[in-house]
Amino acid sequence: EVQLVESGGGLVKPGGSLRLSCAASGFIFSDYSMNWVRQAPGKGLEWVASIGGSSTYIYYADSVKGRFTISRDNAKSSLYLQMNSPRAEDTAVYYCARLGYTSSWYHFDYWGQGTLVTVSS
Amino acid sequence: IQLTQSPSSLSASVGDRVTITCRASQGIRSELAWYQQKSGKAPKLLIYAASTLQSGVPSRFSGSGSGTDFSLTISSLQPEDFATYYCQQVNSYPRTFGQGTKVEIK
Repeated sequence: EVQLVESGGGLVKPGGSLRLSCAASGFIFSDYSMNWVRQAPGKGLEWVASIGGSSTYIYYADSVKGRFTISRDNAKSSLYLQMNSPRAEDTAVYYCARLGYTSSWYHFDYWGQGTLVTVSS
Repeated sequence: IQLTQSPSSLSASVGDRVTITCRASQGIRSELAWYQQKSGKAPKLLIYAASTLQSGVPSRFSGSGSGTDFSLTISSLQPEDFATYYCQQVNSYPRTFGQGTKVEIK
């Protein structure tokens, strides 16, 4: 059974730092690209970042570029999001999601339960 | 690529046929997925490749479209279908989502 479990959320001060983790199980982690998606309170879904299976590619939303860093450790089946200099507008539930593929069609097929990040002084 | 969903919300009764549309600002072939999100829960994949039903999803859900215009239809709304629905394009980065459509009980 595929499972994604996020951790590391909490209260962080503006300008501080926080690292989110996503522990994966039930599939060959290195075979899949992974993603972070966030949802501010009462708002819609916002894609944050993506990383290829061997970290061969990395993409960021403009809203986090230069402040957040996505990374992975395939030996540990883990995905990370390093959040530096967070702002109040980064307050959200952060989900990790697997990029599934079926016959070359891509989709976010498995999601974690999310971890809440609150940026406040 | 921007995705515009309509309506933003709707009220419907159990048994109603419901259609949600998603328009892309440029052509994305059939590289569109639909997700359902219930309050306090993670999104759940319903449809990918614009019209392919994800395994385990009830057949009352269907998707159609290609290029710039897409739709999600629920043929007979059930109590468990009251939720917010999002479209997402996987044609290019950034992987944008529509703003969501909240389906409420009339």
